[in-house]
Amino acid sequence: QQQVKQSPQSLIVQKGGISIINCAYENTAFDYFPWYQQFPGKGPALLIAIRPDVSEKKEGRFTISFNKSAKQFSLHIMDSQPGDSATYFCAASSDTGRRALTFGSGTRLQVQP
Amino acid sequence: GAVVSQHPSRVICKSGTSVKIECRSLDFQATTMFWYRQFPKQSLMLMATSNEGSKATYEQGVEKDKFLINHASLTLSTLTVTSAHPEDSSFYICSARELQRETGNIQYFGAGTRLSVL
Repeated sequence: QQQVKQSPQSLIVQKGGISIINCAYENTAFDYFPWYQQFPGKGPALLIAIRPDVSEKKEGRFTISFNKSAKQFSLHIMDSQPGDSATYFCAASSDTGRRALTFGSGTRLQVQP
Repeated sequence: GAVVSQHPSRVICKSGTSVKIECRSLDFQATTMFWYRQFPKQSLMLMATSNEGSKATYEQGVEKDKFLINHASLTLSTLTVTSAHPEDSSFYICSARELQRETGNIQYFGAGTRLSVL
């Protein structure tokens, strides 16, 4: 019940395209859903996060879509750039983010020039 | 965003020695910090939750006597890998939960520590 399932495992997108990564969860106690970007040898960096009272949140080229009834959320990267090539992790937490994060398995994104 | 400093970034040690990793929140107070372990091309696995002024809470399967955690102040938590062995080689990452932000509790991560035990 604590799992967060992430797909796809890897993704190749052309420059300027849209990258879409999906996550699904089971634990209905989760109430905080962040996305992190990680470059090799570095710690994860917070990209964007959403709470279940909204269905969509946009920050620059990054958008989270959230479907509470389906227990799914996704990250959309618009106008993908080679610099976006990294591993992306979705995560979830409960108690308004006070609890430790449960991470998805990660998606390795490669944006080709 | 807030900054979490983790030191050292890389350490190589001999089997049997102990290694201390520091995690500092530079511009905010963190009553709670978390320690994760990450194997190559895998996700982050929570090792323990570190609470300021109290004992850490360890996840199932994590040896508390091998991975000593101290959270003596609101800005510093340390992880000591005692009597390290090659199987302890991994990427260790800490995160700190920012206290009382309007947008809610947010976890910021350190840059990680690459531990190699020879």
